[in-house]
Amino acid sequence: KAGVTQTPRYLIKTRGQQVTLSCSPISGHRSVSWYQQTPGQGLQFLFEYFSETQRNKGNFPGRFSGRQFSNSRSEMNVSTLELGDSALYLCASSLGTRDSSTDTQYFGPGTRLTVL
Amino acid sequence: SQKIEQNSEALNIQEGKTATLTCNYTNYSPAYLQWYRQDPGRGPVFLLLIRENEKEKRKERLKVTFDTTLKQSLFHITASQPADSATYLCALDPWAGNNRKLIWGLGTSLAVNP
Repeated sequence: KAGVTQTPRYLIKTRGQQVTLSCSPISGHRSVSWYQQTPGQGLQFLFEYFSETQRNKGNFPGRFSGRQFSNSRSEMNVSTLELGDSALYLCASSLGTRDSSTDTQYFGPGTRLTVL
Repeated sequence: SQKIEQNSEALNIQEGKTATLTCNYTNYSPAYLQWYRQDPGRGPVFLLLIRENEKEKRKERLKVTFDTTLKQSLFHITASQPADSATYLCALDPWAGNNRKLIWGLGTSLAVNP
């Protein structure tokens, strides 16, 4: 079974630009979660999508948004990029049951975003 | 403030020894705690989950303990191998498992020397 894929793997943008990242979950998984990982803050939850609806949201500004398509693929968008947005952006897919203690998340390799 | 802490310094051990990694948390009463492994350039990989009513969990050479009184989890790798070299992350769910808002530690880097 193919794993979670993310594109692009690397991205360099300048302040003020916007960016769209893509995530293709494991076949059959309906939940996609997005995380931001930085050395100082570690992994921080951005949001989760399930069946094309945002089900959970972390504490990030509205510049961070996402969506999910009917095939469960998900995109994340960051508008008006800031230097502090430089990070590894990870997506994780799972079956999407309500109990996250049994619904294992499978992470993609991430997109490394650098904002200059 | 609420936080989760892991050894910030890298851990270097000799092959064949037992590696012990620590995860401490404050101001939470999590229903469970998870451990992940992350290699450079890769996303985290789930290893083990231990619930609040479990004292110990094992999987092959891995062992996790959970002390809710001390608010601490220990992660052990016995008979360590160079292939175990990676960053290990702990994460807890402070909302009793009904959403994805896991709180993550910054991770501990483990290097197993041959």
